Amino acid sequence: TQLLEQSPQFLSIQEGENLTVYCNSSSVFSSLQWYRQEPGEGPVLLVTVVTGGEVKKLKRLTFQFGDARKDSSLHITAAQPGDTGLYLCAGESTSGTYKYIFGTGTRLKVLA
Amino acid sequence: KAGVTQTPRYLIKTRGQQVTLSCSPISGHRSVSWYQQTPGQGLQFLFEYFSETQRNKGNFPGRFSGRQFSNSRSEMNVSTLELGDSALYLCASSDRTGAYEQYFGPGTRLTVT
Repeated sequence: TQLLEQSPQFLSIQEGENLTVYCNSSSVFSSLQWYRQEPGEGPVLLVTVVTGGEVKKLKRLTFQFGDARKDSSLHITAAQPGDTGLYLCAGESTSGTYKYIFGTGTRLKVLA
Repeated sequence: KAGVTQTPRYLIKTRGQQVTLSCSPISGHRSVSWYQQTPGQGLQFLFEYFSETQRNKGNFPGRFSGRQFSNSRSEMNVSTLELGDSALYLCASSDRTGAYEQYFGPGTRLTVT
């Protein structure tokens, strides 16, 4: 079974702090996406990374794809209450029956 | 472009009934995927349709079925509802070119009593 394990599972921090969320797998992915989901809504696509070692920035969010394309990280600088939500990584695997897999999720709460 | 729309947004059914959920993808997107999301299991893949053909299927019982129409709109049906079917059902569309990015609808919250 292909898995995308995210850590930490839960994170509660104060406004202004920095944080990093990890997304790990033993499988290789041809691309990997990060989504943010708010309660009662569908996930919203934040970014896609395709190349091993790739780094993408979206305002205060920095996304990195591992060199071997098996893992990714999301770093948030100076977190704000508006960053609160469920962060999901998802990837298009290069093997297996079904190619698109979602991570286990990281629930982030940023306190004002 | 208009986003992915799902109807209805909320639904309450009783055990043993059946339900049909609808999804309209982003214009031009031919791939539609369905997911079940629960607090305990997270996002679980149900099935994917592309150009009216089921391309992939997750590990759900046969009570869960779907179809896609020629205009790419998709429906999902659940027969003989069980309490455990209570969940947020999400539909996502993709144009399936390049990196596989999916765009989600707001979901249908199904409660089975």
